[in-house]
Amino acid sequence: AQKITQTQPGMFVQEKEAVTLDCTYDTSDQSYGLFWYKQPSSGEMIFLIYQGSYDEQNATEGRYSLNFQKARKSANLVISASQLGDSAMYFCAMRVVSGNTGKLIFGQGTTLQVKP
Amino acid sequence: DVKVTQSSRYLVKRTGEKVFLECVQDMDHENMFWYRQDPGLGLRLIYFSYDVKMKEKGDIPEGYSVSREKKERFSLILESASTNQTSMYLCASSFRDRRNQPQHFGDGTRLSIL
Repeated sequence: AQKITQTQPGMFVQEKEAVTLDCTYDTSDQSYGLFWYKQPSSGEMIFLIYQGSYDEQNATEGRYSLNFQKARKSANLVISASQLGDSAMYFCAMRVVSGNTGKLIFGQGTTLQVKP
Repeated sequence: DVKVTQSSRYLVKRTGEKVFLECVQDMDHENMFWYRQDPGLGLRLIYFSYDVKMKEKGDIPEGYSVSREKKERFSLILESASTNQTSMYLCASSFRDRRNQPQHFGDGTRLSIL
């Protein structure tokens, strides 16, 4: 079965420190994509970063990087130099093909709180 | 910028009512999706559509239906609302065949069924 697992319901980090949010996935497909989204308390879902299964380099977007370990089926999000505005819920998602198109399967989410 | 607009941020309805949630996107995306979000469960897919008048069931379609008469608009219908449908509902859209493109989300509708 295709599945995304985020094992950390909540995490704390000190401002300006780095933090890693864990994500493991399960799929038998060879071609897939992994996404991370941020959801502030206001509710909107903000796309952060994407990693394709065939990408050789780990994806980076500003302070966000994705630690992709294909053999371990993990796609952890690393946030460097945390800021107070990073306090939010974070979701890992995997794109799978379903019928005529692709859809996303989401993990349960991790709530991150950044301490001043 | 992509804009996905959901008709209401907050909605309160009564048990047994027929409820319509509307979603409009302005990026000519082929795909549109409806999710519900509940604490500890993440986002679960209710229905999606890859073209006008086309729809496919997601993981939790029971108690819901959808309508897509125009490419830019995707409606979620609760035929007879029940209290267990109290939740946050999120609409999203994306291009159909661009695997590295993310889904773009609306701001969500917090629906309460009394």
